[in-house]
This record gives sequence, C-alpha cells and structure tokens, in this order.
Amino acid sequence: AQSVTQLDSHVSVSEGTPVLLRCNYSSSYSPSLFWYVQHPNKGLQLLLKYTSAATLVKGINGFEAEFKKSETSFHLTKPSAHMSDAAEYFCVVSASLGSGNTGKLIFGQGTTLQVKP
Amino acid sequence: ETGVTQSPTHLIKTRGQQVTLRCSSQSGHNTVSWYQQALGQGPQFIFQYYREEENGRGNFPPRFSGLQFPNYSSELNVNALELDDSALYLCASSSKRGGYTDTQYFGPGTRLTVL
Repeated sequence: AQSVTQLDSHVSVSEGTPVLLRCNYSSSYSPSLFWYVQHPNKGLQLLLKYTSAATLVKGINGFEAEFKKSETSFHLTKPSAHMSDAAEYFCVVSASLGSGNTGKLIFGQGTTLQVKP
Repeated sequence: ETGVTQSPTHLIKTRGQQVTLRCSSQSGHNTVSWYQQALGQGPQFIFQYYREEENGRGNFPPRFSGLQFPNYSSELNVNALELDDSALYLCASSSKRGGYTDTQYFGPGTRLTVL
C-alpha cells in the first residue's frame, strides 16, 4: 500500500525567504510522486512530478523537489517566496501495481503556506 | 487545448435528494477520475472511468455512481444525500495507456452543500 505524510500542517515564511514543505512517502513499488497546489476556492494545479527519471525535479513558478529514496522523502522547495505562493500544497503518490498503476491518487493532508510581507 | 471544466460551480441540496455533477475532460484525454475533498482535508478518490466503464473505486458506498460518455466527459451521481456529502467534488482528466494512467489534471471543482 502507498501513503504520504506531510510533516507540517502550516508553514509561515516571509516574502523573499526560502520555502521548504516536507513530505515522506511509503510505497512498495517505485513511486510516482506529485506536488499539487490549491489556491483558495480553486481546483488543484500540478506543480511538478517525479516518475523515476532525474531525482531533482523542477516545476512551475520556481518550485523544485528532490526524491530521496534512502529517506523516503520528496520535499518541495523554492529559493524565494512570493506573496502569490500563499496556498494549500498537497504531496501526492500514485497507487502502483508494480507493472502499472490503478489511477488512484493518494493525497497527504496538505500544508498551508502563509507568506508574510 | 481546452482544460478540464466542471458544472455547476456551486450546488445546494437537502438531505435525501439526488445530485448530478458534470465534467468535461481535457482534449486528448480518455480517462476521468472523481475525488471528494471535505473541508480542511486532502481529496479522496471516489472512482475512475475509462472506456465508459468504472475502472477502480475508492471507499465510497454504491449511492455514488458515475457515467462516462463517448466524448470522454463524465457525470458523478450521488443518491440519498447525507450531510457528510457536503464537500468540493473534483474531477481529473488523464490519458490511460496499457496499465498506466498518466498525470491527472484537475478541474475547478463543484462545491456541494447538503442541508
């Protein structure tokens, strides 16, 4: 079975400072991992995805994440926060079957990112 | 390329009623998945439709049902509404090839309130 745990329910940073949102995963198979962002009263937007290629994944809006198998982690980072980054962030794993996937996405509980001016 | 669209945006129903939510998939995609997001929670997988058939289901009762049409659009139907069904309902479209569902792209959601 697969699962994800987001280690912080709320992160607060000042504008222009680095962002770190932490995620640990559990998977019996080589996982497909994603970060999605949800702005208030909006749907989910894909930030980036890892599918067993490069371990450092670059996404949109300056975000990136590093897949670390030894630590079962997939933390999301950004060098400099912008006010528009304030949102809910979800770490997601795709439920795998070994030789395929089920199409089911398993979401963490979310991390609320607050950006202070 | 058009994105994923959902209708209606908001809906208010009373307990015991039935509701139908609609989703149009992104151009080029053949698969639609539905998720329920309760307030303050991460989305939970309801089911996926591929080739007009249910192709995987989460832990939801049978009163949650769906359809997929030949143009790959989809409906989510919920019968005998309960107060706990109040949530944001998200659909996601993707491509499925062989045993793999590719990246899922989400619509803006339908906010359902059950009174």
